[in-house]
Amino acid sequence: DAGVTQSPTHLIKTRGQQVTLRCSPKSGHDTVSWYQQALGQGPQFIFQYYEEEERQRGNFPDRFSGHQFPNYSSELNVNALLLGDSALYLCASSLAWETGTYEQYFGPGTRLTVT
Amino acid sequence: SQQGEEDPQALSIQEGENATMNCSYKTSINNLQWYRQNSGRGLVHLILIRSNEREKHSGRLRVTLDTSKKSSSLLITASRAADTASYFCATDAENYGQNFVFGPGTRLSVLP
Repeated sequence: DAGVTQSPTHLIKTRGQQVTLRCSPKSGHDTVSWYQQALGQGPQFIFQYYEEEERQRGNFPDRFSGHQFPNYSSELNVNALLLGDSALYLCASSLAWETGTYEQYFGPGTRLTVT
Repeated sequence: SQQGEEDPQALSIQEGENATMNCSYKTSINNLQWYRQNSGRGLVHLILIRSNEREKHSGRLRVTLDTSKKSSSLLITASRAADTASYFCATDAENYGQNFVFGPGTRLSVLP
């Protein structure tokens, strides 16, 4: 049973560029959440996707956008990269909130460095 | 903000000792979860405690929740060097779905 997978593992981009990160959820999960974790900090919630729609969003600018595909996998897109976007980006999968199951399973993350 | 705050920020103990970490939050919650993160890697779910529960156990882990004080504690008994990691609590607001809010974490070092 595959867990949550993310790609790529590491990424280096230049300010102003755009980046796409990918996530495949744990088998059987239909909900994907994205978090940004700066060095030495806890993860911060970016947004959550369920049934191919953004269900909730944290306090992140519109430069951060996402998508969920029919197979429940998801992408995180960040436009006009800033130095401050350098962080570990974590994907977490879960069952829908309505099921009453709240555990999230995290992938290994994508380390993004913006130079 | 309902951000959780872990305390202490860092903890260093000897192998075999117990480690206790605390978490405080600001608003009513549905549940509180504890996660572990080894250096720069993904988070591992440890235990979830619902707002109507007061204590849960899982192996060497014991979690308590005091909703009147808006606080939780994680106790790791008989610690091992492999327990060295950062530990985070995460909360979600009542009726607000799965927008989990993480604290800054406690960095635990278990010395052999």
